[in-house]
Parts: sequence; structure tokens; C-alpha cells
Amino acid sequence: DQQVKQNSPSLSVQEGRISILNCDYTNSMFDYFLWYKKYPAEGPTFLISISSIKDKNEDGRFTVFLNKSAKHLSLHIVPSQPGDSAVYFCAASALGNTPLVFGKGTRLSVIA
Amino acid sequence: DAEITQSPRHKITETGRQVTLACHQTWNHNNMFWYRQDLGHGLRLIHYSYGVQDTNKGEVSDGYSVSRSNTEDLPLTLESAASSQTSVYFCASSYLPGQGSYEQYFGPGTRLTVT
Repeated sequence: DQQVKQNSPSLSVQEGRISILNCDYTNSMFDYFLWYKKYPAEGPTFLISISSIKDKNEDGRFTVFLNKSAKHLSLHIVPSQPGDSAVYFCAASALGNTPLVFGKGTRLSVIA
Repeated sequence: DAEITQSPRHKITETGRQVTLACHQTWNHNNMFWYRQDLGHGLRLIHYSYGVQDTNKGEVSDGYSVSRSNTEDLPLTLESAASSQTSVYFCASSYLPGQGSYEQYFGPGTRLTVT
């Protein structure tokens, strides 16, 4: 049973517009959420995170929103740039030293 | 600079052979993880370790083993390679909660092909 779901395998956005990547989770014990970005032939790199005590975290062009009641988080990229084209993974962790659980990823293509 | 490295970066092996993938980190992280990435499956956890002499099974541990004899290394062994183990393998490490942030730092990956 998938605990972290990214239901859109791919997303295409024009340069300069907003990219919105979505993630749903089922485990109510998750209390920390992360987004990773992955380019081909490279390892995933950490992008931004949010703890369950917040509903928004912002870092430059990247903002993550958390809706705990809906068990939903989203990553907003504004404005989108061609260099943002990559696979984005959503991940979640429960309280304590537990491994991250990853979604299957969403491939973002930003078209110039 | 601290880093996490994996070797080899590419490996082709035959069915039935034993294969060991190396992972070395200089972050002094207690936690280390092995994942495989396959199309349509994302990142799936194979094994993980919270410290020296500690190992735990992940979601897809069958056919794999790990050992942790020091802080820096967590080698992944495929006991008898199978074609279903053709994949890209990523090693990652992180701090214990309270020591630092939750994020895991990933290595560059090893592409393994089993023929």
C-alpha cells in the first residue's frame, strides 16, 4: 500500500509560469515532509521541507504548502525555468528516527 | 568538503554472481540507506543502518544484504544476482534526529545490469 502518492507522472509548464506538483499521503503519523529534485544520471538532491507544525515554507522560487486535514502537500515553483526540468520526489517521515518514504516522482518539463 | 560516494558507477554482471556495491560518506552521519530506482516505482528502500553494527530491512530487501563495520561505509551485497535486480542503486546518509536536519544526502548512483 502506497503511503506517499504522486498521482501525476509528468507535468509540462511554460517558462515563467507557475509549476504545481502535488503529493498525498495516507499515514497520519507522518510529521515531516521533503521534496527532492533529480536530474538524469545524478542522485536526488534536497530541495525544501516542511514540518507538520507549519502550513507553508518558502525558499526563493520554491514554496511548499501542507494541508494536514487533507493529507496533501504541494510544491509551487514560481517562475518556472528550463533548469527546473527534472523529476521531483515527495518524501515523508514519521516522528523519530524512521526512514523516509518516497513517492514515485513527477517529471516536470519546463518549456522555453 | 563532506561528500557521499558510490562505486562502481556502472556495473555489468551475470546472473548468479555475487556483487558488492560500495558506499562511503564523510559527513559522519549515523544513518545510512540503500535505495533502488526503477521506472514506475520511484525510490524503494532496500536496507538501512542507524549506526555501527546496526542493519535493518527495508521494503525490498530480498536478495540483498548489508553490513556496517564503521560509520563511513555501508556496502550492499547481492548474494546471487538476478535479472530483476537490474536497476539504479542510490546510497544516502543523514543525521540522527536532534543532531541536524532530517534530509538525506544522496550519492550519485550505481547503474547495475544483470545479464
